Amino acid sequence: DIQMAQSPSSLSASVGDRVTITCQASQDITNFLNWYQQKPGKAPKLLIYDASNLETGVPPRFSGDGSGTDFTLTISSLQPEDVATYYCQQYNNIPPGGVTFGQGTRLDIK
Amino acid sequence: EVQLVQSGAEVKKPGESLKISCRASGYSFPSYWVAWVRQMPGKGLEWMGSIYPGDSETRYSPSFQGQVIISVDRSTYTAHLQLSSLKASDTATYYCATGLWLGDYTMAYWGQGTLVIVSS
Repeated sequence: DIQMAQSPSSLSASVGDRVTITCQASQDITNFLNWYQQKPGKAPKLLIYDASNLETGVPPRFSGDGSGTDFTLTISSLQPEDVATYYCQQYNNIPPGGVTFGQGTRLDIK
Repeated sequence: EVQLVQSGAEVKKPGESLKISCRASGYSFPSYWVAWVRQMPGKGLEWMGSIYPGDSETRYSPSFQGQVIISVDRSTYTAHLQLSSLKASDTATYYCATGLWLGDYTMAYWGQGTLVIVSS
């Protein structure tokens, strides 16, 4: 199984700060990496797919980068509404296929 | 508008069984994979498995293989997650999700979640 190491597990930053969350895969996953945002009591929301593609309707302050084993999610200017937990997710299309989520990063405002 | 609407919260006793539903609308249900994701209280997301409604091909996470059954009813555009011999550790919120054209395992649209509480 492919493991995902996500860091940090929690993060506190000020409004306007640039925030970066990282995810490292245990083996090369090319660009098969998505990022989700989950607010308390809500279903997760897709932010970035295939490592760097911004999902429709997601503010451009969110961006994703990386390939192979190392990936980042960046918020260029943190807003109060960005308080949430963020998860990376790798997927493997080769049968039998599979999905692994990172452990999550809890982000709040300092 | 793409929608996934899940069945309501459940309270069950240990040893009982449960079938959660996820009704899809607004897209061609047979054409895109549907995933099930578990979230235990205060914990992260866990992929349980996915099903392709067109032919019912199913892929399970090794962690859930043999523990759950994922199925579909194409006539009602509904996916199901069946849990049996429930334990307290099955207490969780269960989500269905689909990625449509974004890929088999990308979860762009989510149900609202179904809270399952297992308690004697």
